[in-house]
Amino acid sequence: AQTVTQSQPEMSVQEAETVTLSCTYDTSESDYYLFWYKQPPSRQMILVIRQEAYKQQNATENRFSVNFQKAAKSFSLKISDSQLGDAAMYFCAYRGGATNKLIFGTGTLLAVQP
Amino acid sequence: NAGVMQNPRHLVRRRGQEARLRCSPMKGHSHVYWYRQLPEEGLKFMVYLQKENIIDESGMPKERFSAEFPKEGPSILRIQQVVRGDSAAYFCASSERDSSNGYTFGSGTRLTVV
Repeated sequence: AQTVTQSQPEMSVQEAETVTLSCTYDTSESDYYLFWYKQPPSRQMILVIRQEAYKQQNATENRFSVNFQKAAKSFSLKISDSQLGDAAMYFCAYRGGATNKLIFGTGTLLAVQP
Repeated sequence: NAGVMQNPRHLVRRRGQEARLRCSPMKGHSHVYWYRQLPEEGLKFMVYLQKENIIDESGMPKERFSAEFPKEGPSILRIQQVVRGDSAAYFCASSERDSSNGYTFGSGTRLTVV
């Protein structure tokens, strides 16, 4: 069965600095999708960024980018120029190629210090 | 274009009562997913439904829990004879037929069993 591991329960970053959140996954599939979701205190889950495994190019969305290392099964999220509004729980998620089901990691709580 | 609508936002039930959680998917989405989030934990998959069909219920407890997504109306997650351990946030998400673009989540229902 596929698993998603986020080994950093909490992280902290200074405003305007850069932070990287780690995520590793275990799968025997070659075709899959990876996601990062943000959950602020409002509890609403917001899609931050997605990556298709067959694409070598790392996805980027404004200040958010990923470092996708397929061989290492690693999918880290980099937040540049951190803002106070980035403070939230961040979840990494995996979707296999043959299913619509997303499997989530346990999350990383990011604090942004002014 | 309304997103995923969940209600109620908060639900308090006494032990032994029934809890009914409702979810209306985003317009154009035909697939619904239910997840449970316990305090300090990630999202655990419960069940995945299409209209009138349960596709994957591998995460549903064997007893007291059921889900449906009728032809007309919202998806319902039903918990019978609730116990304190059922207290959690329950999230509904929806997707198009292919979820490779990720889910759209509702704001969740926080169930408290007293």
